[in-house]
Amino acid sequence: EAQVTQNPRYLITVTGKKLTVTCSQNMNHEYMSWYRQDPGLGLRQIYYSMNVEVTDKGDVPEGYKVSRKEKRNFPLILESPSPNQTSLYFCASSLIGLGNQPQHFGDGTRLSIL
Amino acid sequence: AQTVTQSQPEMSVQEAETVTLSCTYDTSESDYYLFWYKQPPSRQMILVIRQEAYKQQNATENRFSVNFQKAAKSFSLKISDSQLGDAAMYFCAYRMNYGGSQGNLIFGKGTKLSVKP
Repeated sequence: EAQVTQNPRYLITVTGKKLTVTCSQNMNHEYMSWYRQDPGLGLRQIYYSMNVEVTDKGDVPEGYKVSRKEKRNFPLILESPSPNQTSLYFCASSLIGLGNQPQHFGDGTRLSIL
Repeated sequence: AQTVTQSQPEMSVQEAETVTLSCTYDTSESDYYLFWYKQPPSRQMILVIRQEAYKQQNATENRFSVNFQKAAKSFSLKISDSQLGDAAMYFCAYRMNYGGSQGNLIFGKGTKLSVKP
């Protein structure tokens, strides 16, 4: 089954404790992206990657890191989480250059930073 | 920079009735795509419908259709014969078709749709 898998689905942690949210896709997609969703703000892009070893900042990259060492994986790293990073996070992937191919989303990760 | 605006934070519709959700966008590009995503309480992001900017014909998917007005930069979603399962947050999204950020989706802030039985 074609899917984007995020882990964990839920996480409660404390300020300053490094964490990683994993994202993996099995569709051989070149493009992957991370979004955060906050009430009243919609989804905002954090980072994206057009292919292996190619990453770039989105609209709200501060406090986050990413890496793309393999095509299927695109982890999101919070090296020193703060309460303002409490949010719902989505990973997404898609093909590039094939017109209106939609993005496939993971099921979301609810992060709470205390 | 491109922006997407959904001017209705919340809307309500009676079951079996029709409702239209509004979306406007701002871009200087001519080649792009527009999408409507549905997010039910389960949090999943589900693609409802998509529209290519170069196509004049409005997209339709079963009970869902769009009114795409390219000159006005408007992309509204019409839901006919509303069902209880249509209750969700709906997001309008824009994506360019070329360039280094061609995959990036720009989302509106969403419209929360309630369906009354």
